[in-house]
Amino acid sequence: DVKVTQSSRYLVKRTGEKVFLECVQDMDHENMFWYRQDPGLGLRLIYFSYDVKMKEKGDIPEGYSVSREKKERFSLILESASTNQTSMYLCASSLESGPRRYEQYFGPGTRLTVT
Amino acid sequence: AQSVTQLDSQVPVFEEAPVELRCNYSSSVSVYLFWYVQYPNQGLQLLLKYLSGSTLVESINGFEAEFNKSQTSFHLRKPSVHISDTAEYFCAVRRNRDDKIIFGKGTRLHILP
Repeated sequence: DVKVTQSSRYLVKRTGEKVFLECVQDMDHENMFWYRQDPGLGLRLIYFSYDVKMKEKGDIPEGYSVSREKKERFSLILESASTNQTSMYLCASSLESGPRRYEQYFGPGTRLTVT
Repeated sequence: AQSVTQLDSQVPVFEEAPVELRCNYSSSVSVYLFWYVQYPNQGLQLLLKYLSGSTLVESINGFEAEFNKSQTSFHLRKPSVHISDTAEYFCAVRRNRDDKIIFGKGTRLHILP
């Protein structure tokens, strides 16, 4: 089974802090994604990556950056956390080819609270 | 820009009754279509998908969805729901030549006893 793990289930940070959210997948997936999930807004794509050292902006990249130095790891960085970044953050990965292509496998999520 | 519309934010239905969760998308090119489910306090998981071939796709727990190109829809149906189907359901679309998937805002399915 594909496993996507996220570094923390719950995180509390102060306004202005730099925050790192880590995601690791163990099935050699090419694509990795970061979303935030908010009630009534569904999932919104922050950034995605289809290869090592490659990144693409999603729909709401402002205030975030990402890093993908190794294929299995995709990090989300909040340069200076703000209260409006309080949310559930979901990481996902997928294959680019084969019968299971484009199926996204999600991590358990990190609930970030910025105070 | 492509978009995904789930017309109902919440759907209450009695146990053993049929249900339809609606999903419409906008895209001028070929698409791949997905339904994901999120059970209470759990992560998202794939329910079913349409990539090509038969326009009617089924899941292992009795859900089905039909790709209708002319109506740009991918509605999710189940003929008889169970209390264990209580969850939030997300429709998602990926364009053929794009690398990202767009999710709808989700529909909460409430099963009434």
